[in-house]
Amino acid sequence: DAMVIQNPRYQVTQFGKPVTLSCSQTLNHNVMYWYQQKSSQAPKLLFHYYDKDFNNEADTPDNFQSRRPNTSFCFLDIRSPGLGDAAMYLCATSRDRTTNEKLFFGSGTQLSVL
Amino acid sequence: AQKITQTQPGMFVQEKEAVTLDCTYDTSDQSYGLFWYKQPSSGEMIFLIYQGSYDEQNATEGRYSLNFQKARKSTNLVISASQLGDSAMYFCASNSGYSTLTFGKGTMLLVSP
Repeated sequence: DAMVIQNPRYQVTQFGKPVTLSCSQTLNHNVMYWYQQKSSQAPKLLFHYYDKDFNNEADTPDNFQSRRPNTSFCFLDIRSPGLGDAAMYLCATSRDRTTNEKLFFGSGTQLSVL
Repeated sequence: AQKITQTQPGMFVQEKEAVTLDCTYDTSDQSYGLFWYKQPSSGEMIFLIYQGSYDEQNATEGRYSLNFQKARKSTNLVISASQLGDSAMYFCASNSGYSTLTFGKGTMLLVSP
């Protein structure tokens, strides 16, 4: 089945040690998103790619970066994780950015920072 | 910018009963989309139902339906015949124009036998 796949499901890193989360999709969607969701909170958009065009949210810390080497893959890089970056990270895709396009989500990566 | 308000942190319902989850939104755009997602404890966000701002009829998808009141800027989710598997977090979300999806804080639904 076509889907959005996130690896790993759980990731543990050390304070200040760079970490990369990965997302792949078989839907051939143009748009890929990264959301951060802390416990009992709403998902918060970090950034998204519309094809190769990178769109950063204004309040996303510089510590967070992203790469999209091709249509299928997108990576979230956290350069120096802090304790406050422990969260669920959700990858999502959509065909386009119009109002009727639903997002398809992966299962998420739960990041712990020790 | 979109603002989504879900005023019910938690809701309880008995199996086989219907439940309504509230959502109001704030936008100055004429064209927008309204979505509901379900997030079980496993973490994945599952799309449930969509309502467009120009849709004249309330959306329905199986046991899910929306009570869309455009003048009041509300889009309440109705789940009929609740099942134990419906226990989850429910998020209301909206987008408009080329803006990305904004989520509310969610409502935790617990279905009891």
